[in-house]
Amino acid sequence: EAQVTQNPRYLITVTGKKLTVTCSQNMNHEYMSWYRQDPGLGLRQIYYSMNVEVTDKGDVPEGYKVSRKEKRNFPLILESPSPNQTSLYFCASSSLDGPTWDEQFFGPGTRLTVL
Amino acid sequence: EDKVVQSPLSLVVHEGDTVTLNCSYEVTNFRSLLWYKQEKKAPTFLFMLTSSGIEKKSGRLSSILDKKELFSILNITATQTGDSAVYLCAVEGRDDKIIFGKGTRLHILP
Repeated sequence: EAQVTQNPRYLITVTGKKLTVTCSQNMNHEYMSWYRQDPGLGLRQIYYSMNVEVTDKGDVPEGYKVSRKEKRNFPLILESPSPNQTSLYFCASSSLDGPTWDEQFFGPGTRLTVL
Repeated sequence: EDKVVQSPLSLVVHEGDTVTLNCSYEVTNFRSLLWYKQEKKAPTFLFMLTSSGIEKKSGRLSSILDKKELFSILNITATQTGDSAVYLCAVEGRDDKIIFGKGTRLHILP
């Protein structure tokens, strides 16, 4: 089954404790992206990657890191989480469709709470 | 600064009504506009629009893009309670970034 998986689905942590949210897709997609979703603010892109070893900042990259060592995986790293990073996080992937990126397939989401 | 604005932010209608959701954008190097539906989980894809004036249709849903006036509309006819969701508009712009609007929360009353 074609899918994007994220782990963990729920996480409660404390300020300053490093964490990683994993994302994996089995569709051989080139494009992968991380978003956070907050009430009233919609989905905002954190980081994205167009292929292995190619990453770029989205609109809200501060406090986050990513890596793309393999095509299927795109982990999101919070080196020192703070309460303002409490949010719902989505990973998504898509393939190239001519000159544009095709529809994104979203993971199930990770609800992160930082105390 | 690139931006995507959706309106209205919230809408309540009765079952059977027709609704029109709006998405306007100011995005450098526009490539495509996509609509997604989000219920209590991850967004799911509805339409992708790249050319002006070509309507895309899927059942009771349809969408069209106007690249001159920089907007798109999503129409839902004969609404059903199952159409209740947040509808998201996203635009792919410069440097392969994707910008989402804040969404329209649609509630269908039985």
